[in-house]
Amino acid sequence: DIQMTQSPSTLSASVGDRVTMTCRASQNINSWLAWYQQKPGKAPKLLIYQASTLESGVPSRFSGSGSGTEFTLTISSLQPDDFATYYCQQYNSWTFGQGTKVEIK
Amino acid sequence: QVQLVESGGGVVQPGRSLRLSCAASGFTFSSYAMHWVRQAPGKGLEWVAVISYAESNKFYADSVKGRFTISRDNSKNTVYLQMNSLRADDTAVYYCARDRTALTYSAFDYWGQGTLVTVSS
Repeated sequence: DIQMTQSPSTLSASVGDRVTMTCRASQNINSWLAWYQQKPGKAPKLLIYQASTLESGVPSRFSGSGSGTEFTLTISSLQPDDFATYYCQQYNSWTFGQGTKVEIK
Repeated sequence: QVQLVESGGGVVQPGRSLRLSCAASGFTFSSYAMHWVRQAPGKGLEWVAVISYAESNKFYADSVKGRFTISRDNSKNTVYLQMNSLRADDTAVYYCARDRTALTYSAFDYWGQGTLVTVSS
């Protein structure tokens, strides 16, 4: 089974900060990686697929990079609406990472 | 617009069964793989099962294999999750989700609102 490991588990930041979080796969997944945003009590929202392709309607301050086993989600300038939990997912066999919670500093 | 509406959740005793439904609308249902994903209270997302667009392929997480069965009725635009031999650790909000690319597997672009399953005596 492919394991996905996200770091950090929690990230404290301020509005306007550039934030970066990492997702590592236990084996090569090429670019079969997605990022989701989830707010409390809500369903996840797809942000990025194919490691770096922005889903339609997602603000351009979100970007993804990486391939193989190491991936990154970057928010270029954190907005109040961005405080949430972010999950990576490999869709070779659909495993999710454990999540990175972005909280207010 | 695309809508996914889950139903069938509730409180059930350990060892009993429950069937979840997810009614889809706003897209050509028979062209997309469909997934179930769950989230235990205060925990992260766990993928549960997938069914291909033509029902020819079904895959399951190890945690539910042999107990849960995914199926679909393309004439009713509905995907189901039959859950047998339920355990306390199956307690979660269950979401159905659509694969974003027709006729193959990809990320999940639309999700339902979720239905809560509580397994407790």
